[in-house]
Amino acid sequence: DIQMTQSPSTLSASVGDRVTITCRASQSISSWLAWYQQKPGKAPKVLIYKASTLESGVPSRFSGSGSGTEFTLTISSLQPDDFATYYCQQYNTFSVTFGGGTKVEIK
Amino acid sequence: EVQLVESGGGLVQPGGSLRLSCTASGLTFNDYGMNWVRQAPGRGLQWLSYISSSSGAIYYADSVKGRFTISRDSAKNSLYLQMNSLRAEDTALYYCARFGRDYSPDAFDIWGQGTMVTVSS
Repeated sequence: DIQMTQSPSTLSASVGDRVTITCRASQSISSWLAWYQQKPGKAPKVLIYKASTLESGVPSRFSGSGSGTEFTLTISSLQPDDFATYYCQQYNTFSVTFGGGTKVEIK
Repeated sequence: EVQLVESGGGLVQPGGSLRLSCTASGLTFNDYGMNWVRQAPGRGLQWLSYISSSSGAIYYADSVKGRFTISRDSAKNSLYLQMNSLRAEDTALYYCARFGRDYSPDAFDIWGQGTMVTVSS
């Protein structure tokens, strides 16, 4: 299976900060990568798919980039609603795998 | 309203069985591949199984292969997961989730709210 490594595992930031989360794949996955936001007690919600395509209804402060094995999720100006856990997911094969998650906490 | 609703979770003893269901409403269930994904308490997400719209393609994670069986009933807009030989490490919140495409792996664009499975004596 393709291993997905996210960093950092925890991130402390303030409202208005620019935040970047990194996801590395153990082998090339082209652009077959999605990012999710999960809040406590809720199901994950897709933010970005195909590495950089914003899901409908997701605020434009979220952006994704990368291809091959290195990907980033950027929040340009962190808002109170953005404090959550973020996961990357590769779908290069049917055995999709997720990164370990990045918890974005209030500084 | 687009909705996936899981049911069937509960407390089961090690070695026991459980059947989860996921019923879809407000969406074209029969045109998409469907999946089960789980999340152990305080842990990350783990994909378990996929089934295509026609049930012609089925895949499992190694951790559940031979113990879990995915199926679907198009007439009932429902997805199922039969879980046998349950272990303590199967304790988790189980989600059904839709791929954005059929017959191709994809991002999960719609999720249910989850049903909790606890395996304990």
